[in-house]
Amino acid sequence: IAGITQAPTSQILAAGRRMTLRCTQDMRHNAMYWYRQDLGLGLRLIHYSNTAGTTGKGEVPDGYSVSRANTDDFPLTLASAVPSQTSVYFCASSAETSAHNEQFFGPGTRLTVL
Amino acid sequence: GQNIDQPTEMTATEGAIVQINCTYQTSGFNGLFWYQQHAGEAPTFLSYNVLDGLEEKGRFSSFLSRSKGYSYLLLKELQMKDSASYLCAAMDSNYQLIWGAGTKLIIKP
Repeated sequence: IAGITQAPTSQILAAGRRMTLRCTQDMRHNAMYWYRQDLGLGLRLIHYSNTAGTTGKGEVPDGYSVSRANTDDFPLTLASAVPSQTSVYFCASSAETSAHNEQFFGPGTRLTVL
Repeated sequence: GQNIDQPTEMTATEGAIVQINCTYQTSGFNGLFWYQQHAGEAPTFLSYNVLDGLEEKGRFSSFLSRSKGYSYLLLKELQMKDSASYLCAAMDSNYQLIWGAGTKLIIKP
C-alpha cells in the first residue's frame, strides 16, 4: 500500500539519550518534511528536504538533524534528547516543493522525554 | 512575521452547516490549504485555493480572498464523523506551509 510509514509509533526516552525517528515513503516523492505538533500550537517545521541529497532547516531545527541519502528515507535524529522535545512528530512528503503540491502525512511518532 | 489565525473550537449540530474562518499573513503567498485531523491521527488533505473564489468538493467548500488574507472552510450536512480538528495552512514564497493551531469542531446530535 502506497504511503508513508514512521517508526516507532511511540517512545519514552530518558533525557540525554540519542534517538532516531524513521520515515519511509514509497510514492517516489521528491520532497519530505519533519514537523512537530504540540497542544495549542500549529504544526512546526523542523527540517525539510526538497530532493535526495539536500536538506534545509525549518522553523525549529535546534537539537535535531536529518539526512536524505535516497528518495525514500528521511530519518530525524535527536542527538541528546531534552524534555522540551516531548511532542508528536509527523513526517510528510509531497511530489515537489512547489505550489499546489499537497503534503501526505505519516501516522506520527509520539515521543516522551523524561 | 508570518501568522495564521483560526478559532480554537466550534460546536455545531448534526445536519447543519458550519463555517470555519482563517486569516493569514505570510511572506509571499502560494496558496491556502485545509486539512482534517481526527484525534490521534495524521492530518489529511481537504482542499487547496490559490485564486480568489469558492472551490466546492462534495459537502466541503473552501473560499479564498487574497486581498483580505482570508479563507473559510464550509461544511454542509454535518455528520458525526466530521468531528475533528481542521487545520488552515498558507504556503509562503519558499513553498513552505505555515500552519494555524487548528479548529476543533464538535458535532452534537
